[in-house]
Amino acid sequence: AQSVTQPDIHITVSEGASLELRCNYSYGATPYLFWYVQSPGQGLQLLLKYFSGDTLVQGIKGFEAEFKRSQSSFNLRKPSVHWSDAAEYFCAVAGSGNTGKLIFGQGTTLQVKP
Amino acid sequence: EAGVVQSPRYKIIEKKQPVAFWCNPISGHNTLYWYRQNLGQGPELLIRYENEEAVDDSQLPKDRFSAERLKGVDSTLKIQPAELGDSAVYLCASSLGPSRGGQQYFGPGTRLTVT
Repeated sequence: AQSVTQPDIHITVSEGASLELRCNYSYGATPYLFWYVQSPGQGLQLLLKYFSGDTLVQGIKGFEAEFKRSQSSFNLRKPSVHWSDAAEYFCAVAGSGNTGKLIFGQGTTLQVKP
Repeated sequence: EAGVVQSPRYKIIEKKQPVAFWCNPISGHNTLYWYRQNLGQGPELLIRYENEEAVDDSQLPKDRFSAERLKGVDSTLKIQPAELGDSAVYLCASSLGPSRGGQQYFGPGTRLTVT
């Protein structure tokens, strides 16, 4: 069955420090992978996505993610975190078929210390 | 361009009462999704519409939940009667089409509290 696991429920980093959020997926074929961010009271916003090609993908707000097939991972990174990055982050995999269905992980809450 | 609009943003009801949520997708988006997000969890798909047709409602609890999308634009999700376990955020999303890699645009959600 398709699934997404985000091992870290809550992460705290200092402003200016680097960030890595982990995501592991289970999918039999080539996965379509996404990272979304959800700020309080806001809808989910797409940060980046991976379908094929270069395994390092760039997104908005200075985020990037690396797809590693051997590890079934799609970790999100940012070299220097800003206070405004405090939010909840969701990794998702597209379901099989051309349905657009997304299967989300449970999310990681990022807290940024001044 | 306006994003996905949802109303109300917050709703508090007593159990056994009915409740309805409304969604207006981005203009021109044929595909509409309703998700439920329980506290501390990621969103889970309830139902997907292609135009006015519900093409995937396998996760919708049909004994108490219903949805409609008249004229293939706005959509309404209804719960009757509500139960304590229905407390969650209900998210609406839309996309141009159902492609596997297509971007979904999410509304801010309706936070439902059932007391």
